[in-house]
Amino acid sequence: SAVISQKPSRDICQRGTSLTIQCQVDSQVTMMFWYRQQPGQSLTLIATANQGSEATYESGFVIDKFPISRPNLTFSTLTVSNMSPEDSSIYLCSAREGATTGELFFGEGSRLTVL
Amino acid sequence: GENVEQHPSTLSVQEGDSAVIKCTYSDSASNYFPWYKQELGKRPQLIIDIRSNVGEKKDQRIAVTLNKTAKHFSLHITETQPEDSAVYFCAASKGAAGNKLTFGGGTRVLVKP
Repeated sequence: SAVISQKPSRDICQRGTSLTIQCQVDSQVTMMFWYRQQPGQSLTLIATANQGSEATYESGFVIDKFPISRPNLTFSTLTVSNMSPEDSSIYLCSAREGATTGELFFGEGSRLTVL
Repeated sequence: GENVEQHPSTLSVQEGDSAVIKCTYSDSASNYFPWYKQELGKRPQLIIDIRSNVGEKKDQRIAVTLNKTAKHFSLHITETQPEDSAVYFCAASKGAAGNKLTFGGGTRVLVKP
């Protein structure tokens, strides 16, 4: 099974600043996704990180606010731009290993608090 | 798009009793239904999944059933133990493995010793 590492694990940020979260997978994976989990809530998909091309964003999420990179099959970044207190959340990187397996693996998450 | 509803939102059971969580989905094309367990402060982890060509699947104390006609699926935990206390999420997706998962709202399960 894939092991996913995220950093930072947590951070406290000032309003108006931006923060980039890094996600590293220990094996090549076909698909990578970024989810947001607000305190006590479910997981909401932000976008699918596409290798070598622009990410595919879900309704309510835009590239200017959440730019995503995926330069290769093992690494992706999510930037939360111009942060406000409403962006305080846990951001989870996830990945699927192959085309035939359905299991989605998650990183430990990055807990952001915006003051 | 897909919409997944999950009930109940909280569930308290006595140790040794059974727990049942139910989910409904809206897209009849969905064909993959995993269940994730998330302990406090931890990442979600897959505990069991079922595909649309199967009606039931069991793994030790955990079982999942799927009713495609009614578009609902359920998680059953028997002989609950305190370590089963966690938040459980159902999810649904369709097509190939590359397709996204849509999650239900979650069920907080508390097993009382």
